[in-house]
Amino acid sequence: EAEVAQSPRYKITEKSQAVAFWCDPISGHATLYWYRQILGQGPELLVQFQDESVVDDSQLPKDRFSAERLKGVDSTLKIQPAELGDSAMYLCASSSRGTSGDDEQYFGPGTRLTVT
Amino acid sequence: AQSVTQPDIHITVSEGASLELRCNYSYGATPYLFWYVQSPGQGLQLLLKYFSGDTLVQGIKGFEAEFKRSQSSFNLRKPSVHWSDAAEYFCAVGPRRGSSYKLIFGSGTRLLVRP
Repeated sequence: EAEVAQSPRYKITEKSQAVAFWCDPISGHATLYWYRQILGQGPELLVQFQDESVVDDSQLPKDRFSAERLKGVDSTLKIQPAELGDSAMYLCASSSRGTSGDDEQYFGPGTRLTVT
Repeated sequence: AQSVTQPDIHITVSEGASLELRCNYSYGATPYLFWYVQSPGQGLQLLLKYFSGDTLVQGIKGFEAEFKRSQSSFNLRKPSVHWSDAAEYFCAVGPRRGSSYKLIFGSGTRLLVRP
């Protein structure tokens, strides 16, 4: 069964350092989502891509976060500089079309970030 | 404002007992409704979803959920809990149409199962 891949699974970094996360969606999936899940809370969308284009990045802290999906396949989420409050699980999800609300989102295992 | 409320942070049940996890939502129009489960250190797995039709929906692992429009609720149930059901459960809502299909999640309910 195809899965969403994410790496690294765990990352510890010092504040003010740069950090990057990688996501490889299920093959053929046009839509890719990055969610952030703070401990004790539900996931919250950071950015949504349709192919290589950003559809929604309204909750992305653009002063320090950036995301790209250059060829419309895999994606990288970067934080620079990292702050203590960025400690969270970063989840990537993909869906096949992203053209309807009934298009199921499949989640990867996440990257657990700890900022010290 | 769009929001999902899961009023129970933790629930403990004995193995074999029945389970109900509560979910209420606030949304401009009737959304699509979902329940996800997350095991420690893992991503989210879809348990079930409601789009339209029969308001009682069946999912994987013996779970079911009932949509009640008048109460803006979508409660998750299971008649007999197994130890392997211990996990965190998230209710989520999403739009039926639009340019962004982001899911809005509740804060989760952690299920503990007593042997």
